[in-house]
Amino acid sequence: GQNIDQPTEMTATEGAIVQINCTYQTSGFNGLFWYQQHAGEAPTFLSYNVLDGLEEKGRFSSFLSRSKGYSYLLLKELQMKDSASYLCAVSSNTDKLIFGTGTRLQVFP
Amino acid sequence: NAGVTQTPKFQVLKTGQSMTLQCAQDMNHEYMSWYRQDPGMGLRLIHYSVGAGITDQGEVPNGYNVSRSTTEDFPLRLLSAAPSQTSVYFCASNLRSGTGLAGANVLTFGAGSRLTVL
Repeated sequence: GQNIDQPTEMTATEGAIVQINCTYQTSGFNGLFWYQQHAGEAPTFLSYNVLDGLEEKGRFSSFLSRSKGYSYLLLKELQMKDSASYLCAVSSNTDKLIFGTGTRLQVFP
Repeated sequence: NAGVTQTPKFQVLKTGQSMTLQCAQDMNHEYMSWYRQDPGMGLRLIHYSVGAGITDQGEVPNGYNVSRSTTEDFPLRLLSAAPSQTSVYFCASNLRSGTGLAGANVLTFGAGSRLTVL
């Protein structure tokens, strides 16, 4: 079976850095994905990792350790518009994408 | 280029009624899927399709039917709606499955359909 864990809620201050962790257990692995979802909207793709290491895309970075079943999403220079839910998802070798329950991030001025 | 289009955006049903949620994509994506999203449960996969004529069950398939007669369309049918099916439903598509290329698994989501079953 598959299990994906991430914190339910986090808070941070505008301009700060926040790290959202995700741990997973899957049968087979074909990539880990991060999506952003603002309240009342559809999820939108942020980043993905297939190999171990850090992927950087502007203010957002994502890290993967396959041996530890661990990933994190790093958000730098936080802005109010970053208040959203962040969804960790894992693609198994059957190509199904399974999502964690999401982390709701609130950014305060 | 519309991406993934879902209809309707909102629907209220009575228990036992049937309905179909429509989903269409114009990106020539092979892979399409339906998720439901409930508070505290995250996105759960209902059914998915790896190409026209091929469908398979996800995590929570009971009470739902799908078909994929064309590459573009992937409707989700509720045969006899129940209050437990009150949820927000998202259709999604991605380029290709089975390639082992994770980038091909990046999902594009529709705007969502909010369903209430009384």
